[in-house]
Amino acid sequence: AQKVTQAQTEISVVEKEDVTLDCVYETRDTTYYLFWYKQPPSGELVFLIRRNSFDEQNEISGRYSWNFQKSTSSFNFTITASQVVDSAVYFCALDAYRDDKIIFGKGTRLHILP
Amino acid sequence: DAGVIQSPRHEVTEMGQEVTLRCKPISGHDYLFWYRQTMMRGLELLIYFNNNVPIDDSGMPEDRFSAKMPNASFSTLKIQPSEPRDSAVYFCASSPGPAGEQYFGPGTRLTVT
Repeated sequence: AQKVTQAQTEISVVEKEDVTLDCVYETRDTTYYLFWYKQPPSGELVFLIRRNSFDEQNEISGRYSWNFQKSTSSFNFTITASQVVDSAVYFCALDAYRDDKIIFGKGTRLHILP
Repeated sequence: DAGVIQSPRHEVTEMGQEVTLRCKPISGHDYLFWYRQTMMRGLELLIYFNNNVPIDDSGMPEDRFSAKMPNASFSTLKIQPSEPRDSAVYFCASSPGPAGEQYFGPGTRLTVT
C-alpha cells in the first residue's frame, strides 16, 4: 500500500528564515512519482514539482529546492529566505506506477511571520 | 490559457436535495480527477477518468455519489440525496498524462444544512 507522511502539521517561521518541509513516503513499487503542491489561502491547489523514482537529482527553482533521497524514502522541500507570500498549506503526494492513483499527505500549514 | 473551470463556486443546499457540481478540464488533458477536501479527512480522491472513461471510483463514499464525463470537456459530480456530512470543498483536476502533474480548479464549497 502507498502512504505519504507529513509529520509537521504546522510550522511558523519569521520572514527571511529558511524552512524545510518533510515528506516521507511508502511504496513497494520501484516506479513512482512524487509531487509537491501548494494551497494558498485562496484555496486553489498549485502544482510545484514532479519527480520520478529514477531521478534522485536535487532540484532548485528560485528560492525553492527539493531533496529526494530513496535511501530514506524522503522528498523534502526547502524554502530559502522565506516570504510572507509563502504562507500556505503544502502537500506532498505519491503516485505509484502499479496503483496509478495519487495519494496525498495530510499537508503542512506554513506560516511566515513578518 | 484557461485553467480548470468549476461551477458553482459555492453551493448551499438542504439535506435531501440533489447537488450537481460541474467541471471543465484543460483542453487536451486526458485525465480528470474529482477530490473532496475536509479538515478531518484531508484531500481524498473520489474518482478519476481517462479519456472520458471512469477508471477508479473506489474513493466514492457511497451510492449517493455518482460522476459522469459525457465528453472530453465536461464532467459532473452528483450527490443525491445530499447529507450534512457531505459538506466539503470539492476539487476537479485534470492532467495531460498518467502520473502527470495535476492542475486543479478553484473548487466548489458545498454546505449541506
